Amino acid sequence: DIQMTQSPSSVSASVGDSVTVTCQASQDIGTWVAWYQQRPGNAPKILIYAASTLQTGVPSRFSGSGSGTAFTLTISSLQPEDFATYYCQQAFAFPLTLGGGTQVEIK
Amino acid sequence: QETLQESGPGLVKPSETLSLTCTVSSGSISNFYWSWIRQPPGKGLEWIGYVHHSGTTDYNPSLKSRVTMSVDTAKNQFSLKLSSVTAADTAVYYCARPLWSGAPYYMDVWGKGTTVTVSS
Repeated sequence: DIQMTQSPSSVSASVGDSVTVTCQASQDIGTWVAWYQQRPGNAPKILIYAASTLQTGVPSRFSGSGSGTAFTLTISSLQPEDFATYYCQQAFAFPLTLGGGTQVEIK
Repeated sequence: QETLQESGPGLVKPSETLSLTCTVSSGSISNFYWSWIRQPPGKGLEWIGYVHHSGTTDYNPSLKSRVTMSVDTAKNQFSLKLSSVTAADTAVYYCARPLWSGAPYYMDVWGKGTTVTVSS
């Protein structure tokens, strides 16, 4: 299985800050990566797919980049509704695997 | 807008079989690969597997010996069965639909999730 290692596991930030979450794949997966946001008690919501394509309706303050084994999710100018847990997922091979999550907390 | 709704028992005894159904509303079950994903309390997400409307399946090897997925096109539903459950199978179970028909890669539409507890 392809391992997806996310860091940090948690980060504290203030409204208006920029936050970057990284995801490292255990092998080259091209750009087969998605990012999800999960608020407490809710199902995940897809933000980005194919490493950098913003899903329809997702605010432009979210962006993704990377290829091969290293990927990043950047949230510029954090808003109150962005405090949540974020997961990366690889779609290069089955089984689909996800990172352990990054909790973005209010400082 | 298409919605998914999981249903099934919230409590299952150890060694028994967990059975869940996902009902697809305002959309067709055809042409998509439908996934099940679970999340143990306080932990991350684990992909369990998918079932295509044709009946084709693919399961996570970590669960493959215990998982069966099926689809009922007449009812617009698909199902998950997980046998010989233990406390480690306690989780919120989600059903999900990918972004594109014909490609089970990225999950776009999710059910709200249903909590299943394994306990005697």
